[in-house]
Amino acid sequence: NAGVTQTPKFRVLKTGQSMTLLCAQDMNHEYMYWYRQDPGMGLRLIHYSVGEGTTAKGEVPDGYNVSRLKKQNFLLGLESAAPSQTSVYFCASGERTNTGELFFGEGSRLTVL
Amino acid sequence: EDQVTQSPEALRLQEGESSSLNCSYTVSGLRGLFWYRQDPGKGPEFLFTLYSAGEEKEKERLKATLTKKESFLHITAPKPEDSATYLCAVQARGTYKYIFGTGTRLKVLA
Repeated sequence: NAGVTQTPKFRVLKTGQSMTLLCAQDMNHEYMYWYRQDPGMGLRLIHYSVGEGTTAKGEVPDGYNVSRLKKQNFLLGLESAAPSQTSVYFCASGERTNTGELFFGEGSRLTVL
Repeated sequence: EDQVTQSPEALRLQEGESSSLNCSYTVSGLRGLFWYRQDPGKGPEFLFTLYSAGEEKEKERLKATLTKKESFLHITAPKPEDSATYLCAVQARGTYKYIFGTGTRLKVLA
């Protein structure tokens, strides 16, 4: 059972380039989240989804877009990467019963030069 | 605005030296408060959910408690393998968002 899988795990971009981070979960969870984690800032919510075809903005959505075309996948896009987007990105998923238990991926480390 | 503040930022303990981590929160109607553990290079791992003041949860050497304004994670007789960053998060009623604190980095020395 893979749980939550993020790809890629590492990526280096130049300013202005675009890329997509993929999150896949095999637990049939309704809710999915994208967070970024920076030193001293903790986990900050970028976007989230409460079901297939739905997305919503979190605390720091600017510069990012998301899509949830399939229930098991949640994509995070950077259209024009900036050095301020250098971070570790975590995807998480949770059940509709919502006990508060989120399952996190291993993270994707992105560096923007 | 919903907010979570954790203290201390970092804590060093000798093996067997019990202590507590603090999580203060401001939220417009608490649905739940959550504790997670994060090891270096890994994603956070769920520990506990607390829903109402007075509630307590235990797991091995960890015990989480909740009041109306804060939560404590008590660590009894810690071992080196308890070294990690401990994160606190809250969820307000009527929302799907989890707001995290910046965490407490715990180091337990043998």
